[in-house]
Amino acid sequence: KAGVTQTPRYLIKTRGQQVTLSCSPISGHRSVSWYQQTPGQGLQFLFEYFSETQRNKGNFPGRFSGRQFSNSRSEMNVSTLELGDSALYLCASSLRDGGTSTDTQYFGPGTRLTVL
Amino acid sequence: AQTVTQSQPEMSVQEAETVTLSCTYDTSESDYYLFWYKQPPSRQMILVIRQEAYKQQNATENRFSVNFQKAAKSFSLKISDSQLGDAAMYFCAYRRATGANSKLTFGKGITLSVRP
Repeated sequence: KAGVTQTPRYLIKTRGQQVTLSCSPISGHRSVSWYQQTPGQGLQFLFEYFSETQRNKGNFPGRFSGRQFSNSRSEMNVSTLELGDSALYLCASSLRDGGTSTDTQYFGPGTRLTVL
Repeated sequence: AQTVTQSQPEMSVQEAETVTLSCTYDTSESDYYLFWYKQPPSRQMILVIRQEAYKQQNATENRFSVNFQKAAKSFSLKISDSQLGDAAMYFCAYRRATGANSKLTFGKGITLSVRP
């Protein structure tokens, strides 16, 4: 079974621009979570989507948003980019069958975003 | 709020030797899951091992085992017969077992180097 895929792998943007990152979960997985990884703050939870609905949201400004499609693929968008948004953005998928929290999250390779 | 602490930023081990990575956490929940993830230089986050809090038996996966001390809120990872490929950053993570919030809370990570 193919793993979690993320595109693009690398991205360079300038301040003020917006960016969209994509995540395709493992086949059959219905939940997609996004994390931001930076050297200073470590790994922080952004949000989780399940069945096209945002289930949970981390403590990030409204410039960070996301969505999930009917095939479980997810996108996250960051508007009005700031230098501090430079990070590795990781996507993770899990089954989330029946709405329980008993399954494991499997991660994609990440998208490295650099904001100049 | 739950917190995960990895107090050792770096560790080193001789190839074929055993090393233990420490992790402590704080939670008021009684049911939860604990994970160790490995992040090699490729940045791909790989699940190493998982422990359910309700299980008293420590989880093992080949050369990897944990020492789960629920009362002490301690969750250490033991790597036996260390190999060069074990060199990576290791993250301890916590997740609630009940409720809709399935986000992972990570520690800051520990960089493990393996000496040939």
